[in-house]
Amino acid sequence: KNEVEQSPQNLTAQEGEFITINCSYSVGISALHWLQQHPGGGIVSLFMLSSGKKKHGRLIATINIQEKHSSLHITASHPRDSAVYICAVHTSGTYKYIFGTGTRLKVLA
Amino acid sequence: DAGVIQSPRHEVTEMGQEVTLRCKPISGHNSLFWYRQTMMRGLELLIYFNNNVPIDDSGMPEDRFSAKMPNASFSTLKIQPSEPRDSAVYFCASSFGDDGYTFGSGTRLTVV
Repeated sequence: KNEVEQSPQNLTAQEGEFITINCSYSVGISALHWLQQHPGGGIVSLFMLSSGKKKHGRLIATINIQEKHSSLHITASHPRDSAVYICAVHTSGTYKYIFGTGTRLKVLA
Repeated sequence: DAGVIQSPRHEVTEMGQEVTLRCKPISGHNSLFWYRQTMMRGLELLIYFNNNVPIDDSGMPEDRFSAKMPNASFSTLKIQPSEPRDSAVYFCASSFGDDGYTFGSGTRLTVV
């Protein structure tokens, strides 16, 4: 079993839909990172969080440390949100960075 | 600021040759990261520098890989000798603590 699991692996949505991508982890962490990788390959850092919730525009990220779970929400989705969304965790103690396998999102117009 | 600048964008080299990838972080950022991305293994962290000092290089695959950060504005990742299995996209990223985490555009390396 992977130490960082994302679900779903693939997601197709209609423009305007509310989208949730989940990330569960089995290790102790100091922080969790959400990344977005566009079809052209460029990577953008969306959020780094260690507790609670962060919001930026139409994106919201939450984390529940006790449940070892984080969610990334996209409100009013748009075709330009189509990308691979990657969850990564910084483990606590030793510096180790573990990536999830990514969620491929396609938003249809 | 022009962001994190990586060079070259593409590199094709023959097996056994030395390859040097370069990264210029964002001015003022104190952390620098080298990542590798392949279809088989996805994204992997290779090495992390903080204030120009390597903090963790446990992700560096083997002795053929080395990374340096001689000053706050420049880092290199060297592969010597290169092998076909090193073919990947190599990303550099920089940050100030957990803030302003920015990735470069990547270097696509092909070893034939």
